[in-house]
Amino acid sequence: AQSVTQPDIHITVSEGASLELRCNYSYGATPYLFWYVQSPGQGLQLLLKYFSGDTLVQGIKGFEAEFKRSQSSFNLRKPSVHWSDAAEYFCAVGARYNQGGKLIFGQGTELSVKP
Amino acid sequence: DGGITQSPKYLFRKEGQNVTLSCEQNLNHDAMYWYRQDPGQGLRLIYYSQIVNDFQKGDIAEGYSVSREKKESFPLTVTSAQKNPTAFYLCASSTPGRGADTQYFGPGTRLTVL
Repeated sequence: AQSVTQPDIHITVSEGASLELRCNYSYGATPYLFWYVQSPGQGLQLLLKYFSGDTLVQGIKGFEAEFKRSQSSFNLRKPSVHWSDAAEYFCAVGARYNQGGKLIFGQGTELSVKP
Repeated sequence: DGGITQSPKYLFRKEGQNVTLSCEQNLNHDAMYWYRQDPGQGLRLIYYSQIVNDFQKGDIAEGYSVSREKKESFPLTVTSAQKNPTAFYLCASSTPGRGADTQYFGPGTRLTVL
């Protein structure tokens, strides 16, 4: 079955520290991969996406993610976290062919930032 | 500005009542989606529509209905058959090509059943 797993439900980091949020997927073929961010009570905003090419993808707000096919992973990183990064982060996968553009979302990782 | 609007932001419903959530987009996107979000469960797909006058059930369609009479609009009705409708509802749109593409989200509607 197709699925996305974000192993960490909640992560707390200190401001200025580095961050890595994990995402593992189970899919029949290499999917398209996305990371979204959600502030409380708001919709989701796209941080970055991977379709093909360079496996290290740069996104907005200083985030990057690396696609590792051998590990079925697409982990999100940021070298120095700011207090405004506190939010919930969702990893998602979508099919390269058909399936109506549907995305499958992970359960999310809530990020807290300590001053 | 292009985007997706959802209304109302907060909605209260008595048990046994149907209620309709609005979703409008001016991005000229072909596909639209409805998700339900509950704490700790991520986003679950309720219905989606790839073109006007056509839609498909998602993973949790029971107790919900939709229509797609216009490209810009994809309203969701939460019926009295939905046993636990209190949740945050998100609408999204995209223009998938051969495969999936970025989905753009509205600000959401929080539905509370009293």
